[in-house]
Amino acid sequence: KAGVTQTPRYLIKTRGQQVTLSCSPISGHRSVSWYQQTPGQGLQFLFEYFSETQRNKGNFPGRFSGRQFSNSRSEMNVSTLELGDSALYLCASSLRTAAGNTEAFFGQGTRLTVV
Amino acid sequence: DAKTTQPPSMDCAEGRAANLPCNHSTISGNEYVYWYRQIHSQGPQYIIHGLKNNETNEMASLIITEDRKSSTLILPHATLRDTAVYYCLASFTGKLIFGQGTTLQVKP
Repeated sequence: KAGVTQTPRYLIKTRGQQVTLSCSPISGHRSVSWYQQTPGQGLQFLFEYFSETQRNKGNFPGRFSGRQFSNSRSEMNVSTLELGDSALYLCASSLRTAAGNTEAFFGQGTRLTVV
Repeated sequence: DAKTTQPPSMDCAEGRAANLPCNHSTISGNEYVYWYRQIHSQGPQYIIHGLKNNETNEMASLIITEDRKSSTLILPHATLRDTAVYYCLASFTGKLIFGQGTTLQVKP
């Protein structure tokens, strides 16, 4: 069974640009969540999508947005990049049941560097 | 989601059991306790989760107190490859709130 796939693995962008990151969840998983990890703030929740709808949102500015497609693949977009957006962006997929979420499986992440 | 508290670091001798504690005194009735670990620069790896009962899988055991206010992750025979940051979380939804975790150093 293939794991969570994130592309690209590494990315360098310039301040002011925008970036789109992609995540393909494990087959059958309909919940996809995004996280940002920086040395200073640790792992922070960005948002969760389930069946193409945003179900949960963290405390990030509107420059951070996402979407989910009918095949459960998800994209995350950051507009007007700032130096502080340099981070490891992680995607996680999980099953969502009436009893709550099951365990989440993380991808290897996309390392974004803003210069 | 309930806040969790973990010691910042722990050491363990290779081959011995590693017991990692976690406090989640404000956990609500429907929140599961999850444990993940992260080896440097990789995505977090799921270890185990539970609601009320103790759980065991091929990686670890999870002991949850009867009042559910704390738990302990047990790695029965720690190896050098178990050196990582271990995160304890309480969650019902897909929103996982990570704290600073416990850095476990397994020493030869």
